[in-house]
Amino acid sequence: EAGVAQSPRYKIIEKRQSVAFWCNPISGHATLYWYQQILGQGPKLLIQFQNNGVVDDSQLPKDRFSAERLKGVDSTLKIQPAKLEDSAVYLCASSLPGTGFREQYFGPGTRLTVT
Amino acid sequence: AQSVTQLDSQVPVFEEAPVELRCNYSSSVSVYLFWYVQYPNQGLQLLLKYLSGSTLVKGINGFEAEFNKSQTSFHLRKPSVHISDTAEYFCAVSLNTGGFKTIFGAGTRLFVKA
Repeated sequence: EAGVAQSPRYKIIEKRQSVAFWCNPISGHATLYWYQQILGQGPKLLIQFQNNGVVDDSQLPKDRFSAERLKGVDSTLKIQPAKLEDSAVYLCASSLPGTGFREQYFGPGTRLTVT
Repeated sequence: AQSVTQLDSQVPVFEEAPVELRCNYSSSVSVYLFWYVQYPNQGLQLLLKYLSGSTLVKGINGFEAEFNKSQTSFHLRKPSVHISDTAEYFCAVSLNTGGFKTIFGAGTRLFVKA
């Protein structure tokens, strides 16, 4: 079974530029998560989707970050414009649908460096 | 508000020695508890989880953890570590509400020396 796919793996941009990350979850996983992991910190949830609907985006900086999951499968996270403090690893995870706890499976992440 | 505190940022240990990585949490609602491992340039992998039942849970790679409700702790242990256990370990809690939002600790870097 293929895991969670993310691209690109690495990205270097200058501040004020825009950037987009892509995630393809495990087949059949209705729930998709985007996390931001700053160096030396644990992952922080940015947004959670259930199919193509948003479940939680309370920690997403909506003035510069946006995410979509139009067909309920793959997802794109965008930053526009980027700031130096956005340098981090962006992790995508997915889980099966249903009530109760469902294990999250993580992709390898995209390492973003903003200069 | 819920929070997770990992008491050690780095733990150096010799190969075949026992290790304990400490984790404390605070929450006003019931939670599920987890330990994840992250190898360099990889995503997180679930080591073990506590949902209910026995407070001693066993995971992959010989790790185990004990849930202590009175001390709000969930320490990770392994009786004998290997070089290959060198990695970052994250303790996490998932709120037993709605979307089961997961909150991670800052991580503990385990460094196993030969």
